[in-house]
Amino acid sequence: KAGVTQTPRYLIKTRGQQVTLSCSPISGHRSVSWYQQTPGQGLQFLFEYFSETQRNKGNFPGRFSGRQFSNSRSEMNVSTLELGDSALYLCASSSEYNEQFFGPGTRLTVL
Amino acid sequence: GENVEQHPSTLSVQEGDSAVIKCTYSDSASNYFPWYKQELGKRPQLIIDIRSNVGEKKDQRIAVTLNKTAKHFSLHITETQPEDSAVYFCAASTRFNNNDMRFGAGTRLTVKP
Repeated sequence: KAGVTQTPRYLIKTRGQQVTLSCSPISGHRSVSWYQQTPGQGLQFLFEYFSETQRNKGNFPGRFSGRQFSNSRSEMNVSTLELGDSALYLCASSSEYNEQFFGPGTRLTVL
Repeated sequence: GENVEQHPSTLSVQEGDSAVIKCTYSDSASNYFPWYKQELGKRPQLIIDIRSNVGEKKDQRIAVTLNKTAKHFSLHITETQPEDSAVYFCAASTRFNNNDMRFGAGTRLTVKP
């Protein structure tokens, strides 16, 4: 099976812009979770989607949003970017047994 | 919500020694506890996991133990090798088949040859 893929791998934006990141899960996985990883904060849970519905949500402001499509692919969007949003954004797809497999991540730099 | 604490934040051992990383969790409903290894510039990789219905699980040089009463779980790596050097994350999930995974802050393990 192909692994989790994320696009783009690298992104540079300026403050105030918005960005959309994409994640394609492992075939057959219906759950997609998103995380923000920064050196100081570790892996922070953003949200999880299952069957096109947001099932869980972390403690991030409303500027962070996401969605999932019928083929389980997921996107996350960050509006009005701030310098502090610079991070590695990881998505993970899950089997029915909770095991999460991570994608390579999208490294977002906000200037 | 769930809160996972991980110790130590850094760990340095000599090649061949054992390494132990400990995590505690707050929600007694947590029932799934994975461990991830993240090498520099790479994605986290699942290395072992344990569910709340067992107390210990082994996979070659890696073992995980779970104490539900005390709400803590540990990763044990024996006969460490330089390639074990990485950041290790523990995590806890409160509901089966419902991913609200919370991660510890990570432990940077360095194995000196």
